[in-house]
Amino acid sequence: EAGVTQFPSHSVIEKGQTVTLRCDPISGHDNLYWYRRVMGKEIKFLLHFVKESKQDESGMPNNRFLAERTGGTYSTLKVQPAELEDSGVYFCASSQEAGDSYNEQFFGPGTRLTVL
Amino acid sequence: SQQGEEDPQALSIQEGENATMNCSYKTSINNLQWYRQNSGRGLVHLILIRSNEREKHSGRLRVTLDTSKKSSSLLITASRAADTASYFCATTDSWGKLQFGAGTQVVVTP
Repeated sequence: EAGVTQFPSHSVIEKGQTVTLRCDPISGHDNLYWYRRVMGKEIKFLLHFVKESKQDESGMPNNRFLAERTGGTYSTLKVQPAELEDSGVYFCASSQEAGDSYNEQFFGPGTRLTVL
Repeated sequence: SQQGEEDPQALSIQEGENATMNCSYKTSINNLQWYRQNSGRGLVHLILIRSNEREKHSGRLRVTLDTSKKSSSLLITASRAADTASYFCATTDSWGKLQFGAGTQVVVTP
């Protein structure tokens, strides 16, 4: 069974440009989470989808970030326009049923975003 | 603000030695989990301990939980070079959202 995949693995863009990150969760997983780790700091939650609906987007830093999960399958996270402080590693994770905090989350390898 | 804080931030040991790292958290929890991240790779779930458990083992890993002190520890016994990684503790809310600490960077030298 394929794990969580993320694309691209690394993106280097200039300040002001737009970048779209993609996450493909494990097939059948209703829950999809986005996290990011900025410059050696703690990994922070961004948002949580249950199927195609946003359950919790309290961690989204500002309106330059837009996440979608059309059809409840893969998800995209768009940063527009990118700023220097957006640099970091963006992780996606998925888990099975919703509403169960004991469900193990399976993480993708992350996308390293560098904004110059 | 972060829920979990790891201590130490970095740990350097030799193969065969034990590595111990601690995590403190602020609010009540249902469970606490430990994850490992190898350089350039995603997070790997290591072990979950529930709030009504005090100790749990998995292979060379031993986790303790003290809810009165709001702290947990992860012990890796007989470390190997392959254990070199960053280790994170994380707590979860009812929807599974993880709140991580800053992590402990462990380096195991042959």
